[in-house]
Amino acid sequence: TQLLEQSPQFLSIQEGENLTVYCNSSSVFSSLQWYRQEPGEGPVLLVTVVTGGEVKKLKRLTFQFGDARKDSSLHITAAQPGDTGLYLCAGPSGGYQKVTFGIGTKLQVIP
Amino acid sequence: GAVVSQHPSRVICKSGTSVKIECRSLDFQATTMFWYRQFPKQSLMLMATSNEGSKATYEQGVEKDKFLINHASLTLSTLTVTSAHPEDSSFYICSAQPGQRSYNEQFFGPGTRLTVL
Repeated sequence: TQLLEQSPQFLSIQEGENLTVYCNSSSVFSSLQWYRQEPGEGPVLLVTVVTGGEVKKLKRLTFQFGDARKDSSLHITAAQPGDTGLYLCAGPSGGYQKVTFGIGTKLQVIP
Repeated sequence: GAVVSQHPSRVICKSGTSVKIECRSLDFQATTMFWYRQFPKQSLMLMATSNEGSKATYEQGVEKDKFLINHASLTLSTLTVTSAHPEDSSFYICSAQPGQRSYNEQFFGPGTRLTVL
């Protein structure tokens, strides 16, 4: 089973600050996905990165896939309270259509 | 697009009873659906993979006779928790994949909070 480690596990910041969260593995992934989950809700797919070195932007969120396809980062610029949630990275896990999830980074943005 | 619904969103039941949770893909056909369980402050734990028209594949440690999964159509999968006990209380989330996805992307339902008294 390929493992995904996420850091930090918890992050509390003030509105307007920038932040970066990380997703790392010792294994190579063909792709990685980022999801955001709000309390009491299911995860929502934000982005899929598939090419080593790829950078994708979604408004104030910037996702990067490492050159070796073993890691990924999510950078949020000028965080807002609406960014609060659990950010999960996930990647194919070898089984039929399955993915493995990291433990997540719980982000709290304080107004 | 790619909307998945779950019903009910919350259920409270007595110990020993069975509870059925429905997962529907509303605007696409899902050959594969997944059922996850999530404990407080933890990530998603895959319970089983459900394929339309065939038996579900359960992850190690998940009792198939306790967690019955039926995927009778390309838009509906159900999870039945049989003879529920308090330790089965959890947040159950389903996800669905539209056809063959190259990157195994999944679209999740809003989850079902099960409380067993």
